[in-house]
Amino acid sequence: AQKITQTQPGMFVQEKEAVTLDCTYDTSDPSYGLFWYKQPSSGEMIFLIYQGSYDQQNATEGRYSLNFQKARKSANLVISASQLGDSAMYFCAMREGGTSGTYKYIFGTGTRLKVLA
Amino acid sequence: EPEVTQTPSHQVTQMGQEVILRCVPISNHLYFYWYRQILGQKVEFLVSFYNNEISEKSEIFDDQFSVERPDGSNFTLKIRSTKLEDSAMYFCASSARQPTNEKLFFGSGTQLSVL
Repeated sequence: AQKITQTQPGMFVQEKEAVTLDCTYDTSDPSYGLFWYKQPSSGEMIFLIYQGSYDQQNATEGRYSLNFQKARKSANLVISASQLGDSAMYFCAMREGGTSGTYKYIFGTGTRLKVLA
Repeated sequence: EPEVTQTPSHQVTQMGQEVILRCVPISNHLYFYWYRQILGQKVEFLVSFYNNEISEKSEIFDDQFSVERPDGSNFTLKIRSTKLEDSAMYFCASSARQPTNEKLFFGSGTQLSVL
């Protein structure tokens, strides 16, 4: 079974509009973390935002916010006021405890976002 | 901000040859990882490393793969006898395991091409 599911392989958004990238997860670990990373065409992985499973409030980092719905096991990324530079691949990832007590990070298949001028 | 450094950025090798991909994690980090990504697709977990030993490994990480932290700063991934399907971008990552934000820091990757 997929641990991290990103159902949108590609998305378009008009510049200056907001966009939501979907992510659902599956874990039985009570303590976990959820991350979003951006991968531009240059290939590097850029950390955007983090949400801990015990955090009461949704995480925000500038124009990025994470809509965390624990009961639904969803962690959608909201980008407000999209910019052309936001065009990239976006990966949702989950950190859960590994079998040896260390962390394991699992990534979704990604959503390619294209911002239109 | 501190960085994870990977070398080389590109590596071309012949099938059956050994390759070593090098990484310098962030100096105060304790947990180290290798991931790979084929043709901009899914980022796949290979292995995690802590306290000088492998903590977790995926089914991809077979006997052809090994990792080492030879000198307390470098973290290497060795592929003993490369196959065509090993062609991918290989990312090294490290984390500090802080209680409030276990952010995974990635290097810029090594693009491995097996011919």
